[in-house]
Amino acid sequence: GENVEQHPSTLSVQEGDSAVIKCTYSDSASNYFPWYKQELGKGPQLIIDIRSNVGEKKDQRIAVTLNKTAKHFSLHITETQPEDSAVYFCAASSLNDYKLSFGAGTTVTVRA
Amino acid sequence: GAVVSQHPSWVICKSGTSVKIECRSLDFQATTMFWYRQFPKQSLMLMATSNEGSKATYEQGVEKDKFLINHASLTLSTLTVTSAHPEDSSFYICSLAHGGIWGGGTQYFGPGTRLTVL
Repeated sequence: GENVEQHPSTLSVQEGDSAVIKCTYSDSASNYFPWYKQELGKGPQLIIDIRSNVGEKKDQRIAVTLNKTAKHFSLHITETQPEDSAVYFCAASSLNDYKLSFGAGTTVTVRA
Repeated sequence: GAVVSQHPSWVICKSGTSVKIECRSLDFQATTMFWYRQFPKQSLMLMATSNEGSKATYEQGVEKDKFLINHASLTLSTLTVTSAHPEDSSFYICSLAHGGIWGGGTQYFGPGTRLTVL
């Protein structure tokens, strides 16, 4: 099955700086890569996703890039704000399997 | 995106009792819902896939007789933790797939239910 690795496990950034989280996947058939933000005590919230037919997608301060050859994808948050502090999970699924395989999560702390 | 609700948001029960958690799709009909469990500081672990009108599909290692799932309508799936024990204490989260489950249907998650078994 799919194996998703996520790095780093923790990330501390100064407010206004950028944050980058990287994930790798093992199944070359994976074609859908969502990112979720989870605040303490709440369910994961979809913040952005990308499919394998595009290499990059941007939504305001958030962007995701995908390199299918290298089998990795990344989340970029620019101009970070304190409310960006949360745990971020990457995930992957494929045409052959509807299940989402999650990374271990990255705890992002934005210092004011 | 889709709106998913869960009830209750938290529950405390005594060891040996059963607890039912509801997951509702508020704005579209969901033929498939998913149940996850999340322990503190860990990732989400898929427990089972809930299919409307048929039996749920459980992941390896998840006891189907302990975690009963009923997807009786297109907007409601329930998870019952039977004879709960302290090791069942966890954060239970449901999700549903919008746009089809195959080939990357978007999954939207509920707010979660915190279960504490004393």
